Amino acid sequence: GAVVSQHPSRVICKSGTSVKIECRSLDFQATTMFWYRQFPKKSLMLMATSNEGSKATYEQGVEKDKFLINHASLTLSTLTVTSAHPEDSSFYICSARKGGSTGELFFGEGSRLTVL
Amino acid sequence: QKEVEQDPGPLSVPEGAIVSLNCTYSNSAFQYFMWYRQYSRKGPELLMYTYSSGNKEDGRFTAQVDKSSKYISLFIRDSQPSDSATYLCAMSVETSGSRLTFGEGTQLTVNP
Repeated sequence: GAVVSQHPSRVICKSGTSVKIECRSLDFQATTMFWYRQFPKKSLMLMATSNEGSKATYEQGVEKDKFLINHASLTLSTLTVTSAHPEDSSFYICSARKGGSTGELFFGEGSRLTVL
Repeated sequence: QKEVEQDPGPLSVPEGAIVSLNCTYSNSAFQYFMWYRQYSRKGPELLMYTYSSGNKEDGRFTAQVDKSSKYISLFIRDSQPSDSATYLCAMSVETSGSRLTFGEGTQLTVNP
């Protein structure tokens, strides 16, 4: 089956540093990937839609300069949390559709970010 | 009011029980309804996908959608300890939409 891989699965960083999270579609090409944020015992909140070869589309209230998204290839999207603060600590999850715009959505295993 | 309401639980049942999980929603434009299972510290995985009203069965899982009541359900028969996870309902207006709206998830524990 399709697999979406995220790396790293866990990361701890100091306040003020930047952290990059990678999302890869391992056995299919994805022109669009999605980034979510999930707080403990809360639902997934869509942060942005990552489009290969063009700028990401951010949801209302999400700071594009803080959460930089780059979709450099058909199998890789990255989320960089810049100048991280403790309130950025969260579980970040990506997803990608296999088989075009109507295909099944597969989720990565998530990346837990802790900012000290 | 949230667009999607889901009782967060926790819900604890004995092995073999029938589990009923539910969500209500307010947006009548939702047409596609999904249930995801999420194990601790993992990403969600799709369990069931239904379009519009009706029932869909897959093994021990049955999904029901009642659009007139804006109510969806997931039933798990003969529940197993391995079913212990958080179950998230999600819905969207379009099949191609990335804009899935998720419920908060119900934490289920099946006790052996």
